Amino acid sequence: GESVGLHLPTLSVQEGDNSIINCAYSNSASDYFIWYKQESGKGPQFIIDIRSNMDKRQGQRVTVLLNKTVKHLSLQIAATQPGDSAVYFCAENAGSNYKLTFGKGTLLTVNP
Amino acid sequence: DTAVSQTPKYLVTQMGNDKSIKCEQNLGHDTMYWYKQDSKKFLKIMFSYNNKELIINETVPNRFSPKSPDKAHLNLHINSLELGDSAVYFCASSQDVSANYGYTFGSGTRLTVV
Repeated sequence: GESVGLHLPTLSVQEGDNSIINCAYSNSASDYFIWYKQESGKGPQFIIDIRSNMDKRQGQRVTVLLNKTVKHLSLQIAATQPGDSAVYFCAENAGSNYKLTFGKGTLLTVNP
Repeated sequence: DTAVSQTPKYLVTQMGNDKSIKCEQNLGHDTMYWYKQDSKKFLKIMFSYNNKELIINETVPNRFSPKSPDKAHLNLHINSLELGDSAVYFCASSQDVSANYGYTFGSGTRLTVV
């Protein structure tokens, strides 16, 4: 399944499927990007990051892709598990702004 | 040990009251932040401090006053609470002011103004 972020959409997938969460960022000067996972009642947790000199970065079951031409970021989760159910945020850092700016989040629901 | 801890976790109070939320980080980070998360889950920065110095002060009513007694602590005091202040408030810290290493967040304080 695939979802566009920034409107808190809901992405519903079956356990074991791959998930793709998308994010469009706004600032062409942004040079550092992070995906955060927020479970219910908890604070956002760092998942994976990528700097603007890279197009792809892989972690454990997660991959982040960066397309600077169209200012697009995606998070791919392989073999999605019920524990992956959460709200996922992309965040960008334009460097000179001294802060992370967050997208609106995507709610991922994993059905057993 | 919790890296970024904030208290209280829940706060229910009446309009017009004054309340404080406390935050402490034991990561040795130089920079701390307050973010507000609304009912639609949108996270918006309010303030940041770097080694006790105010760096960011977004468009926030002056009823909100942050205080950083040292670089490991950043408290948020809110005067004359209004219904619209109801939200979840997150404290976060980062290695330095550039935020180029991401943030570590606390678990949040859910403020309900009645």
